[in-house]
Amino acid sequence: GDSVTQMEGPVTLSEEAFLTINCTYTATGYPSLFWYVQYPGEGLQLLLKATKADDKGSNKGFEATYRKETTSFHLEKGSVQVSDSAVYFCGHWGKFQFGAGTQVVVTP
Amino acid sequence: EAQVTQNPRYLITVTGKKLTVTCSQNMNHEYMSWYRQDPGLGLRQIYYSMNVEVTDKGDVPEGYKVSRKEKRNFPLILESPSPNQTSLYFCASSPSAGDSNQPQHFGDGTRLSIL
Repeated sequence: GDSVTQMEGPVTLSEEAFLTINCTYTATGYPSLFWYVQYPGEGLQLLLKATKADDKGSNKGFEATYRKETTSFHLEKGSVQVSDSAVYFCGHWGKFQFGAGTQVVVTP
Repeated sequence: EAQVTQNPRYLITVTGKKLTVTCSQNMNHEYMSWYRQDPGLGLRQIYYSMNVEVTDKGDVPEGYKVSRKEKRNFPLILESPSPNQTSLYFCASSPSAGDSNQPQHFGDGTRLSIL
């Protein structure tokens, strides 16, 4: 069945470090893919999306590319800030499947 | 302002006492859904609704009921809550499940504690 797998956290890194969160999916067809972010005490917010293969979604310095050949949608940011500390969820349209979430902690 | 509103935000109650968590959206969205979020398990879908009077089970529907009598509201009902339903619950909506370009909008969450 459809599913999303993302790397486990927590991921702890220093300010200005490079961040990668891996996400792979299984799905029927080629659904749109999303990354959501959940800041402490808040609901989920859409961070970025890609609707077809080779599309790159980007927002707030984050990027993710829809890779059909590897069924992946890894999230990257070149230089993280303390304010990026949050839980990040990968998801695909399908049945609105989400990964388990990856907590990111950025220290000053 | 476009939003999904859940109430209550926090609730502590006891086993067996029926409760309802309300969810309302003001965006005229057709699709609505409920999730629970548990540590290590991420978001799991409880129920969803494609439109008025159309509801279906998600991945973890046991112990829950929903209704969709009008487009804007999608209440989650726990007829006889149990401690394993202690969780953080999110309601979400989307214009249409058939449009793959439209992500879901989420409410701020309801934290339920069942003693």
